[in-house]
Amino acid sequence: EPEVTQTPSHQVTQMGQEVILRCVPISNHLYFYWYRQILGQKVEFLVSFYNNEISEKSEIFDDQFSVERPDGSNFTLKIRSTKLEDSAMYFCASRIDGKAKNIQYFGAGTRLSVL
Amino acid sequence: AQKITQTQPGMFVQEKEAVTLDCTYDTSDQSYGLFWYKQPSSGEMIFLIYQGSYDEQNATEGRYSLNFQKARKSANLVISASQLGDSAMYFCAMSARNSGNTPLVFGKGTRLSVIA
Repeated sequence: EPEVTQTPSHQVTQMGQEVILRCVPISNHLYFYWYRQILGQKVEFLVSFYNNEISEKSEIFDDQFSVERPDGSNFTLKIRSTKLEDSAMYFCASRIDGKAKNIQYFGAGTRLSVL
Repeated sequence: AQKITQTQPGMFVQEKEAVTLDCTYDTSDQSYGLFWYKQPSSGEMIFLIYQGSYDEQNATEGRYSLNFQKARKSANLVISASQLGDSAMYFCAMSARNSGNTPLVFGKGTRLSVIA
């Protein structure tokens, strides 16, 4: 069964460093998303991406964050200068198109630890 | 703005029994979707079931069913014949419209523990 793949599963970084979280969405999906979940809290929307551009972003998604689809398969989230409060689980999700039910399929997540 | 409320931080259920996880929502949209996701201790988010606001029938997927009461703005998840593998966090979520590129809004979740 097709699935969303995220790498790495766990990333440890020093405060102020740049990190890139990688995602391979399901191959025929067109809409891509990043969410984050701070430990013990609810899942929060960061950004959605369609047709090679951001379609919506939350207040959390400030200038420190960027997303890119560098090729036909990968979808990346970059955090330019990590802060302690960026420590969280980051989920990538994808959905097939705009007409179907808005069912988003999630990857297994990348746990980011900022020291 | 959409809001999801899950009032049960934790629930216990005996194996093979049924359990209901509560979810209420708030939205001014007429067209929306409601979702349940399961998050095991390993961390991934697994889609379980979907209900559209205009769907007349309650959604069912195997042992999962969604008790949708539109007037009360509730979308409770019912798990029948609980299994040990059902122990996990369960999140209720909604999207503003049934289709289109809208993000999901999640509740805080309910931790379900199935007891042998």
